Order: sequence, then C-alpha cells, then structure tokens
Amino acid sequence: KAGVTQTPRYLIKTRGQQVTLSCSPISGHRSVSWYQQTPGQGLQFLFEYFSETQRNKGNFPGRFSGRQFSNSRSEMNVSTLELGDSALYLCASSLGLGIDTQYFGPGTRLTVL
Amino acid sequence: GIQVEQSPPDLILQEGANSTLRCNFSDSVNNLQWFHQNPWGQLINLFYIPSGTKQNGRLSATTVATERYSLLYISSSQTTDSGVYFCAVETSGSRLTFGEGTQLTVNP
Repeated sequence: KAGVTQTPRYLIKTRGQQVTLSCSPISGHRSVSWYQQTPGQGLQFLFEYFSETQRNKGNFPGRFSGRQFSNSRSEMNVSTLELGDSALYLCASSLGLGIDTQYFGPGTRLTVL
Repeated sequence: GIQVEQSPPDLILQEGANSTLRCNFSDSVNNLQWFHQNPWGQLINLFYIPSGTKQNGRLSATTVATERYSLLYISSSQTTDSGVYFCAVETSGSRLTFGEGTQLTVNP
C-alpha cells in the first residue's frame, strides 16, 4: 500500500497570502489529522477529520481551517499568513478514531517571508 | 491538558552502545506511540503500545499505563539510529499529544 502523501513538499509564501496544503491518506483510512511542527512549540495538533466531519480541533486561530472529501483526502488552508506560520505541517492517517496506529506523511515545509 | 515529558533531551552514544529513552505522562491515555523523526522531517512509526512490551529487531518498548510511563530501548545502536525520538499519547479520538523529543546522536 502507498503511504500518506502530502503536496506540495515545499512552499514559500509572503505575509498576508493564503496557502492550501493537501494530504492523501493510506487507502482505506478514514481519519486524517494535521499537526504543526516548529522549533519553539514542537509538534502541535491542528485538527482531525473523520467521514468528512471535523471531530477535534486544536488551539489555533480561525485562520487555520480544513476539510475532508468523500475519498478521505484532506486539505488545510491558512489565510492571511504570518511569519510565525513558518513550520513543517504534517498529516497523519489512521483507520478510525482512536483505534489504530497513526501513520505520518513526509510533511509540507512552509516558509513565510 | 495532558503533559508528556521525555528524558533525556539529548543523548550521545558510540556505535554499539545500548540506550533507554523515557516518556512520562500526567494522565490516563487511550494509546501511546513512539516515533523516529528522520533528517527530512518524516515521522516513522516505531511502536503502537498502550500497555505491555513489544520488540522489533534491536528496538523494544514497554508501557506501564498504571504508572504512566513508557520506555524505549535501543540496543547495539547504529549511526542510522540518529535523529529525534518522540513519544505521543492519545487521549481523545485520534488526537496525539507529543513530548518534546530526545535528540539521539550515534557516533561511529
């Protein structure tokens, strides 16, 4: 089975712009979660989707949003980018909610200038 | 929220040495996973271990849920074992709370 894929792998944006990141889970997995990793804050949970519904949300401003499609693929969007949004964004997939190992994709490295 | 503490924060070993990494958590958890983050940033799943002991080659892990800790053992370390090791606990749905990691350096 193919692993979790994320696109794009690298992205450079300027302040004020918006960005959309994509995540394709492992075939058959229905749960997708997103995490942000920065040197200062470590790995932090953004949100989790299951069956096209957001099930859980971390402590991030409303500029961070996401969605899940019927094929379980997920996108996250960050609007009005700030310098502090520069980070590695990781997506994880699992079979269901809280019942299985989570597998991570390679990440999207976002740089905001 | 739940607190996850990993120790030591940094560890330097000579190739062939053994090591133990520890993860303490402050509350009951549904599950616990250990990950290795490679130099390119990807998190590689090592163990899914809510309780008990598991082994995979030179790596093994033990979680004592009643005492709220987990240990990751690395035996006969190799330079390719270098990287950051994370412990993550699951408390709600699939939401993982990560520790700050242990930076392992294995010198030849």
